[in-house]
Amino acid sequence: GQSLEQPSEVTAVEGAIVQINCTYQTSGFYGLSWYQQHDGGAPTFLSYNALDGLEETGRFSSFLSRSDSYGYLLLQELQMKDSASYFCAVRRDSSYKLIFGSGTRLLVRP
Amino acid sequence: DTAVSQTPKYLVTQMGNDKSIKCEQNLGHDTMYWYKQDSKKFLKIMFSYNNKELIINETVPNRFSPKSPDKAHLNLHINSLELGDSAVYFCASSQSTDNYEQYFGPGTRLTVT
Repeated sequence: GQSLEQPSEVTAVEGAIVQINCTYQTSGFYGLSWYQQHDGGAPTFLSYNALDGLEETGRFSSFLSRSDSYGYLLLQELQMKDSASYFCAVRRDSSYKLIFGSGTRLLVRP
Repeated sequence: DTAVSQTPKYLVTQMGNDKSIKCEQNLGHDTMYWYKQDSKKFLKIMFSYNNKELIINETVPNRFSPKSPDKAHLNLHINSLELGDSAVYFCASSQSTDNYEQYFGPGTRLTVT
């Protein structure tokens, strides 16, 4: 079987740092992606990790530990516009498809 | 310049009807996908085509039939619509099957009454 677990909801204050965790159990593993989706909008790609370690892209960073089947998305200097749902997605090496987590709804408060 | 476009954006129809959703991408990508997002925002792959060839066919009712006339277009036809088909359907594309970055269309919100 396969599963991805993320917290359903996270609340943080504008200007703060927030970490959204993702643990996965899949029969194969190729890499972990993160997508952002605003209400009523389409998912948009944020980052991808195939190797252990931290990838930084501006205010957003993503981390992967393959041995722990764990990753996280780190958002710094939170802005109101970061309020959205964040999905982790696993690509298995035996398939071209992405398996998405159930998403974490981030609410940024003033 | 819209990268991935879908029509219609909203679709309200009655049970038992047949409807189609169209998708086009102008990114020159080889691979296209259909996803279904339910009311709990769970996003699930349905189908994928690579250069007009079906490569992913998840366990969906055979009332759903994708068609790719060329690699820039991927349409979804749904027969005998049911209440449970109500969802947002997203089309997406990627440069190739090996490319992890997928570009999503704006979605089609289907409501079956």
